[in-house]
Amino acid sequence: DAGVTQSPTHLIKTRGQQVTLRCSPKSGHDTVSWYQQALGQGPQFIFQYYEEEERQRGNFPDRFSGHQFPNYSSELNVNALLLGDSALYLCASSKGQGDYGYTFGSGTRLTVV
Amino acid sequence: AQTVTQSQPEMSVQEAETVTLSCTYDTSESDYYLFWYKQPPSRQMILVIRQEAYKQQNATENRFSVNFQKAAKSFSLKISDSQLGDAAMYFCAYRSPYNNNDMRFGAGTRLTVKP
Repeated sequence: DAGVTQSPTHLIKTRGQQVTLRCSPKSGHDTVSWYQQALGQGPQFIFQYYEEEERQRGNFPDRFSGHQFPNYSSELNVNALLLGDSALYLCASSKGQGDYGYTFGSGTRLTVV
Repeated sequence: AQTVTQSQPEMSVQEAETVTLSCTYDTSESDYYLFWYKQPPSRQMILVIRQEAYKQQNATENRFSVNFQKAAKSFSLKISDSQLGDAAMYFCAYRSPYNNNDMRFGAGTRLTVKP
């Protein structure tokens, strides 16, 4: 049973560019959450998608946007990249709200130069 | 807003020994869920153990157990018979069942296991 799949695994972008990260949830899961993890820190919540709608959002600017598709897969888009956006971006899936925990992917390492 | 605090940036344990990682949290809610996640160098967060706040019995999963002190808002993780494969970052996390709340993480504790 495949877990959470994220692509790409690594990415280098230039300041001001736009980036799209992709996530396929674990089979049977319908909710996708995105987290940003800066080096040496804990994950910070970006937003969560359920039934193709953004259900909740963390303290991130509008440059961060997302989408969920009918097959529950999701995209994270970041516009006008800043150096401070360099981080590991983690996708997590769950059945419902995640009372039994999330299943995480291995993340996308984004470097902005 | 709920906050999660892990006061030990780094911990070290000898192989086969026992180590306890600390976690405290701040909340005004009576029902919630607590988790410990392990993040090895592969970067994937792996669920170690889960505790429901309304259950007084401490959760256990093989060599991993928790000491849940609801009144003190403390949720420590005990790893018994430590193995080299236990070396990783460990994150404590809180999730409220209300208002579609997200899962909030502490800053993590880096565990080193010495052979």
